[in-house]
Amino acid sequence: DADVTQTPRNRITKTGKRIMLECSQTKGHDRMYWYRQDPGLGLRLIYYSFDVKDINKGEISDGYSVSRQAQAKFSLSLESAIPNQTALYFCATSDPNRGNTEAFFGQGTRLTVV
Amino acid sequence: AQTVTQSQPEMSVQEAETVTLSCTYDTSESDYYLFWYKQPPSRQMILVIRQEAYKQQNATENRFSVNFQKAAKSFSLKISDSQLGDAAMYFCAYRSYFQGGSEKLVFGKGTKLTVNP
Repeated sequence: DADVTQTPRNRITKTGKRIMLECSQTKGHDRMYWYRQDPGLGLRLIYYSFDVKDINKGEISDGYSVSRQAQAKFSLSLESAIPNQTALYFCATSDPNRGNTEAFFGQGTRLTVV
Repeated sequence: AQTVTQSQPEMSVQEAETVTLSCTYDTSESDYYLFWYKQPPSRQMILVIRQEAYKQQNATENRFSVNFQKAAKSFSLKISDSQLGDAAMYFCAYRSYFQGGSEKLVFGKGTKLTVNP
């Protein structure tokens, strides 16, 4: 099983619908992140969390919200989806306190808003 | 704020040849980490190589090596003996050294590498 699991892997939704992307991890890491990938733009940070009580906005948080339900779970919500939120979304974890300098990524969720 | 620039949107290489992907970054920090990630068509993000800025020696992982020029803020990736499986998007990324709110990865826009048989 993957250390960082995202569900669903693919999703098509309609404009105006609320949708939640879920992420769970078995690595025991404190830090969790949501990134968005668009062609030609690389990965951009949406939100990040350093523990259950700590949530921070990234560079492109407008139109998104998150919830850290537990150390292992971090979900991303689109309250009212719009077509320009069509993208590949990644959840990632890290734990610098354990000497892990890099981020570990889930398999990604491809979201299409029609 | 830190920025990462990959100036080559696309590159191609013949199988068994060597290719170098470019990355430059901008930061005022003296200690940080740099990474190259590979994203094959499966879209999984795979760490290729990592470099600590305080280390002068360039990192190497099998056929992958970097040329880290701290003063020039340059971090290029060299792939030797290219294989068909190396075809992917490659992302350069930066992370601050200090903890307490600065462990975010900042990514470049990526370079798509094609390997020709």
